[in-house]
Amino acid sequence: GAVVSQHPSRVICKSGTSVKIECRSLDFQATTMFWYRQFPKQSLMLMATSNEGSKATYEQGVEKDKFLINHASLTLSTLTVTSAHPEDSSFYICSARATVVTGTEAFFGQGTRLTVV
Amino acid sequence: AQKITQTQPGMFVQEKEAVTLDCTYDTSDQSYGLFWYKQPSSGEMIFLIYQGSYDEQNATEGRYSLNFQKARKSANLVISASQLGDSAMYFCAASYNQGGKLIFGQGTELSVKP
Repeated sequence: GAVVSQHPSRVICKSGTSVKIECRSLDFQATTMFWYRQFPKQSLMLMATSNEGSKATYEQGVEKDKFLINHASLTLSTLTVTSAHPEDSSFYICSARATVVTGTEAFFGQGTRLTVV
Repeated sequence: AQKITQTQPGMFVQEKEAVTLDCTYDTSDQSYGLFWYKQPSSGEMIFLIYQGSYDEQNATEGRYSLNFQKARKSANLVISASQLGDSAMYFCAASYNQGGKLIFGQGTELSVKP
């Protein structure tokens, strides 16, 4: 299957600082990328959908000023957690789809475990 | 709103036996896709199997098969000949014509006993 690379895999940051997470599709062009958040033993909750060259679409309840998403190219999307606080500690995972049709598998990155201290 | 329901928070199965993980979905869309993913403790999401709403045959991928009952809106995952390495979280997900995003169920934690 296609490869999606997510970095970093783990990050610890101080409260009040910002953290950037990268999601790259290595061998295909991803017109759409998705960012999910997952708390321990819980499901993946969609945070936002990013389309190359346009503004991200955020799910209800997700603060777009806090979770900045940029999809500058067909192979790279970034999620920046601004002014992070301990409650932002979570597992963040991205996925990419080559085309937006129901039958297309979504490929996932390895995930980023963020700890804010 | 579209919803995916997995009613089994945890399941145990003896090694080499088969196990069925339940999944039901709720939609009025005619075109949709159903997915199963495995998530080991490392966190990565591993794609297992896909079923399209128009597919008449149940999907199979090696030891995985999807028991698709459209009228009941269920898409259960069957794992045959369970292995110790199958111990993980399993998520059912659906994709509708709403930008291609996946909606996930709550997950089922499968433990395979030797």
